[in-house]
Amino acid sequence: SQTIHQWPATLVQPVGSPLSLECTVEGTSNPNLYWYRQAAGRGLQLLFYSVGIGQISSEVPQNLSASRPQDRQFILSSKKLLLSDSGFYLCAWSPGTSSGNTIYFGEGSWLTVV
Amino acid sequence: GQQVMQIPQYQHVQEGEDFTTYCNSSTTLSNIQWYKQRPGGHPVFLIQLVKSGEVKKQKRLTFQFGEAKKNSSLHITATQTTDVGTYFCASTGFQKLVFGTGTRLLVSP
Repeated sequence: SQTIHQWPATLVQPVGSPLSLECTVEGTSNPNLYWYRQAAGRGLQLLFYSVGIGQISSEVPQNLSASRPQDRQFILSSKKLLLSDSGFYLCAWSPGTSSGNTIYFGEGSWLTVV
Repeated sequence: GQQVMQIPQYQHVQEGEDFTTYCNSSTTLSNIQWYKQRPGGHPVFLIQLVKSGEVKKQKRLTFQFGEAKKNSSLHITATQTTDVGTYFCASTGFQKLVFGTGTRLLVSP
């Protein structure tokens, strides 16, 4: 069966510090990968998605970036965090490149920028 | 870009009352998916609707897809405290899933 792992689960970072959130998927190959952000009590905002190694699409201009160094690894990064980057970050995957596929979410990472 | 709106944003009901959340789009949707997110948790897939006018049921939950494929609804009959959470609709564009704004449901015992 497929599983998705995301870490760290929680972190508190000072403004201006770097960020790295990692996500890996097991039990499948060539998945679509996604990073979503959810501000407290708000909806899900798609940040990045990837359909293959090195292929990243950005949905929202911001100081965040994403990379996919391996087929089942997706990394969310920032060089300098802002207060507004605080939120709940969710990695997710879906099978293949067809539309209409279910998305499976990781457990999420709570980021507080202080 | 594609936008999907949900109403209401928030609803507080007494246990046993019914609950409905509505999802609306200005464009025709290829399909609609529904997810539930428990407080502090991550969204979990509930169901997908594809056909115009489709209705699906999961125990006390009834999902409908509009005839014009521009709207959808989730109805919960006789809510229970375990129904607490945020319900999201979502629709697939090319290679990605766009989520609605969500409806937060609170159920008092």
